[in-house]
Amino acid sequence: LAKTTQPISMDSYEGQEVNITCSHNNIATNDYITWYQQFPSQGPRFIIQGYKTKVTNEVASLFIPADRKSSTLSLPRVSLSDTAVYYCLVGPMDSSYKLIFGSGTRLLVRP
Amino acid sequence: GAGVSQTPSNKVTEKGKYVELRCDPISGHTALYWYRQSLGQGPEFLIYFQGTGAADDSGLPNDRFFAVRPEGSVSTLKIQRTERGDSAVYLCASSFGGNANTGELFFGEGSRLTVL
Repeated sequence: LAKTTQPISMDSYEGQEVNITCSHNNIATNDYITWYQQFPSQGPRFIIQGYKTKVTNEVASLFIPADRKSSTLSLPRVSLSDTAVYYCLVGPMDSSYKLIFGSGTRLLVRP
Repeated sequence: GAGVSQTPSNKVTEKGKYVELRCDPISGHTALYWYRQSLGQGPEFLIYFQGTGAADDSGLPNDRFFAVRPEGSVSTLKIQRTERGDSAVYLCASSFGGNANTGELFFGEGSRLTVL
């Protein structure tokens, strides 16, 4: 499974847009990119998933360049409640049941 | 239930004791997963069930760990002769199918195990 690299931590302020970039240089052709969010004392929560170009939902956008060697999770106008750990994962679309989590990015949103 | 339910939420035990952790997945989800999360780390895969059978238990650290899902719904993670290194949050997740990378896993809040 492809290894991911993402910043250990990031700081932001309420109302700002936050972009968290994840590197996955050895991503395979059949790998998807998925982001999870985890609050303290809770299990991870699915945010968004994509294969290429751009995906947007009510929570975030995911930008994937053509070479797919990186991806960027974009959180528009963050609030204090977006303070959490964000995990970038890649894994194959065909019958893969193991999610491989790294250490994630700890986002701190300040007032 | 509305979400994945895990009990107990907290468990403190002594070294050498036996522990059971229970997971009640979302109704209708055939796939169930157990993960373990140590402080400051991401969750690590332990075992995956599709229905009643353990399709992959390659993440279980040793033979002190065992999990069952006898009726294809509730699962129990069993840890024998607990060690201090077993202290962690044990997370359970479920999903409609077994492909975790093209869908969404729904995680419970976890069971925090502390072995003294």
